[in-house]
Amino acid sequence: QKEVEQDPGPLSVPEGAIVSLNCTYSNSAFQYFMWYRQYSRKGPELLMYTYSSGNKEDGRFTAQVDKSSKYISLFIRDSQPSDSATYLCAMSAGTGGFKTIFGAGTRLFVKA
Amino acid sequence: EAGVAQSPRYKIIEKRQSVAFWCNPISGHATLYWYQQILGQGPKLLIQFQNNGVVDDSQLPKDRFSAERLKGVDSTLKIQPAKLEDSAVYLCASSAGQAGDNEQFFGPGTRLTVL
Repeated sequence: QKEVEQDPGPLSVPEGAIVSLNCTYSNSAFQYFMWYRQYSRKGPELLMYTYSSGNKEDGRFTAQVDKSSKYISLFIRDSQPSDSATYLCAMSAGTGGFKTIFGAGTRLFVKA
Repeated sequence: EAGVAQSPRYKIIEKRQSVAFWCNPISGHATLYWYQQILGQGPKLLIQFQNNGVVDDSQLPKDRFSAERLKGVDSTLKIQPAKLEDSAVYLCASSAGQAGDNEQFFGPGTRLTVL
């Protein structure tokens, strides 16, 4: 069993839709949860960063962490064609040198 | 602030040849990472440096891969000899490396094709 599981998609939605992206994990030591966005032929860029359980909102993006279920989500409201990218979830047990484990990424296409 | 620089951007070699990649992290970042990203997969950590020292190289195939970070700044990753399964994007990332900081900044990657 992989430490982090993520549906690779692809996920295709119309412009303006609400998008839900998810990851599950098996390591209960994970405390830090990240979402990275990766455009084609580019490196990943950090989108959202949360510690422990709860919600975090930043503009059209909301990250949710449910540690009891070992499940994290990223919601994108009012999706735009520019949101078309691969979204990678990532997790770590600590900071300042702990290993970060990435999911396989979900490819998202937002159609105009 | 300049981002993470990597070169070359693309490289095509034949199996059993050697290849080297270069990374210049963000100025002042103590931690440097090399990841391998195979098509359709997430980045997999190969090696992590904290300043000059290696923090984690548990997933580095040491019989063919080597990496160094001289003077705690630039880093090179070498593959010798290359195999077909080494075809991937090699990503370099850096972070400030402080407690409470998990944000990694990635370079554009080097796309390696082994024929």
